[in-house]
Amino acid sequence: ELKVEQNPLFLSMQEGKNYTIYCNYSTTSDRLYWYRQDPGKSLESLFVLLSNGAVKQEGRLMASLDTKARLSTLHITAAVHDLSATYFCAVDVGNQFYFGTGTSLTVIP
Amino acid sequence: DAGVIQSPRHEVTEMGQEVTLRCKPISGHDYLFWYRQTMMRGLELLIYFNNNVPIDDSGMPEDRFSAKMPNASFSTLKIQPSEPRDSAVYFCASSLVWGGKTQYFGPGTRLLVL
Repeated sequence: ELKVEQNPLFLSMQEGKNYTIYCNYSTTSDRLYWYRQDPGKSLESLFVLLSNGAVKQEGRLMASLDTKARLSTLHITAAVHDLSATYFCAVDVGNQFYFGTGTSLTVIP
Repeated sequence: DAGVIQSPRHEVTEMGQEVTLRCKPISGHDYLFWYRQTMMRGLELLIYFNNNVPIDDSGMPEDRFSAKMPNASFSTLKIQPSEPRDSAVYFCASSLVWGGKTQYFGPGTRLLVL
């Protein structure tokens, strides 16, 4: 059974600090997605990483993909309160999307 | 464009009743996805369509679930009969291409089956 694991599940961090969320998956996939979900809201696509070594950055968020290690990271730089949300990674394998468990991020002033 | 539109936004029904969820994708998007989100199972892809044709429904949990896309601007997800374990938030999303950053999600339908 394919597994997509994120850690940590919960993250509380102070404003201005840096941190990394990890996404491990158990089978080969060349595409990795990151989404953001605000409480009680829908999902917003953040990044799609299409190949080994891909790196995408937008604002204070940077995502990378290592397909050999089956690992993606979402790095947060100098966190601000507006980044508080749940972040999901997902992989697509065999015409199916598999989502991670999500990482609930709280940025404390 | 108004984005992906879903209706109803909230639905409360009793076990055994038929439930129909509706979705209008963004105009011009060739792909439409139905997802379900629960605390226990997280986010799951139920089914997706390409150019109105169902491509993969392997995520549909049971025969009680069915989905249609009669035209490019409308899709339904039906549960008949509904059960309490179907309680979840159901999201519809659409995209120009498979995957990609251009997958736009609707606001979701929050379903409660009593």
